[in-house]
Amino acid sequence: QKEVEQNSGPLSVPEGAIASLNCTYSDRGSQSFFWYRQYSGKSPELIMFIYSNGDKEDGRFTAQLNKASQYVSLLIRDSQPSDSATYLCAVNPARRYSGGGADGLTFGKGTHLIIQP
Amino acid sequence: DTEVTQTPKHLVMGMTNKKSLKCEQHMGHRAMYWYKQKAKKPPELMFVYSYEKLSINESVPSRFSPECPNSSLLNLHLHALQPEDSALYLCASSQDRRNYGYTFGSGTRLTVV
Repeated sequence: QKEVEQNSGPLSVPEGAIASLNCTYSDRGSQSFFWYRQYSGKSPELIMFIYSNGDKEDGRFTAQLNKASQYVSLLIRDSQPSDSATYLCAVNPARRYSGGGADGLTFGKGTHLIIQP
Repeated sequence: DTEVTQTPKHLVMGMTNKKSLKCEQHMGHRAMYWYKQKAKKPPELMFVYSYEKLSINESVPSRFSPECPNSSLLNLHLHALQPEDSALYLCASSQDRRNYGYTFGSGTRLTVV
């Protein structure tokens, strides 16, 4: 079973609608969860991070975390053509957590989002 | 300063060459990372430095040699690479705590010929 799973898409959403991106993870002890946006040929850009169950809102973006279901989602309201990109879900897995030391992130394969004008 | 700076942006090297990738941050972050990303694939973790010490090596071949001269700098020395090593190499940094967001540099596009 892959550690972080996302639907690769493409996910096509009309401009102005809500885009919903989903991610599941296998490591139940995972500590923190991240959403990155990556445009073609560019490096990943952090959109949101969340580590408590529930919703976290930042502008047009809402991250949702359900640790019992091992599920993370990202909602993008009022989608714009400039939101068209690949969205990467990343997890800080417990297996590497070293009690205060640094850990790397494990990424899902990403969902390719297309906002149609 | 909230940036991670990587140089060079593009690099073409032969299989017998030795080259180095450089990464610099001035955010006071104590953890720095190297990732490799192939086209249409997610970033894959290579190395983690925590407080200037190598803490994670994800079984990376020895032709890749990381170095952390100080808390602001991270290098990746390359030697005898293969064409399949061509990829986008990303540096990232974070505060040395699991919950703080990682900041990526713009990457070095490496082509091995």
